[in-house]
Amino acid sequence: SSELTQDPAVSVALGQTVRITCQGDGLRSYYASWYQQKPGQAPLLVIYGKNNRPSGIPDRFSGSNSGNTASLTITGAQAEDEADYYCNSRDDSGNHVVFGGGTKLTVL
Amino acid sequence: QLQLQESGPGLVKPSETLSLTCTVSGGSISTSSYYWGWIRQPPGKGLEWIGSISYSGSTYYNPSLKSRVTIFVATSKNQFSLRLSSVTAADTAVYYCARPYSGFDSTFDFWGQGTLVTVSS
Repeated sequence: SSELTQDPAVSVALGQTVRITCQGDGLRSYYASWYQQKPGQAPLLVIYGKNNRPSGIPDRFSGSNSGNTASLTITGAQAEDEADYYCNSRDDSGNHVVFGGGTKLTVL
Repeated sequence: QLQLQESGPGLVKPSETLSLTCTVSGGSISTSSYYWGWIRQPPGKGLEWIGSISYSGSTYYNPSLKSRVTIFVATSKNQFSLRLSSVTAADTAVYYCARPYSGFDSTFDFWGQGTLVTVSS
């Protein structure tokens, strides 16, 4: 399968913890990467590999993987974390890149 | 600091060919085994990978677009380009170029700012 499935929308109270999930068969073989996208901006890589953060990404962002599911966790969500979050990975063949449909995170 | 910049027409007529170029600065397109990528995003919708190319010209394409897509590289200009033929309104999108973390990878750590291409007569 070449699809990655994400919940369309998730909300979290300010300062609380939220988990955003991504499901797909390819995740059994390849790690997911996670991107944050705010309106009018290019996507920003926040998590990649087993659980790696690029320089400058706050440590409240973390990633995990189990079977065909990858998760992005934000521990102590801040107002500036309100954004669309996309996962991506490779498909089963390893020869194509696939993106999830995105999750809109609202911080209440 | 590596920078990528997309350029090309912002308006393309239906049935014509969309052509975009990504210019890389702050690094050489040919000094590593990166597969440089094109990704697009229709207005209000999600991200879609179009394809990726190495500096030697080896390519991977999205199967759903493969029949209409050509990606090629101009190492002397530090550029890579996208051509999408027979466009329709469904191809209206912000088009991004991006560099993967390593090799052929789904992790893209550097992105251009994106350029909006509208397909309309």
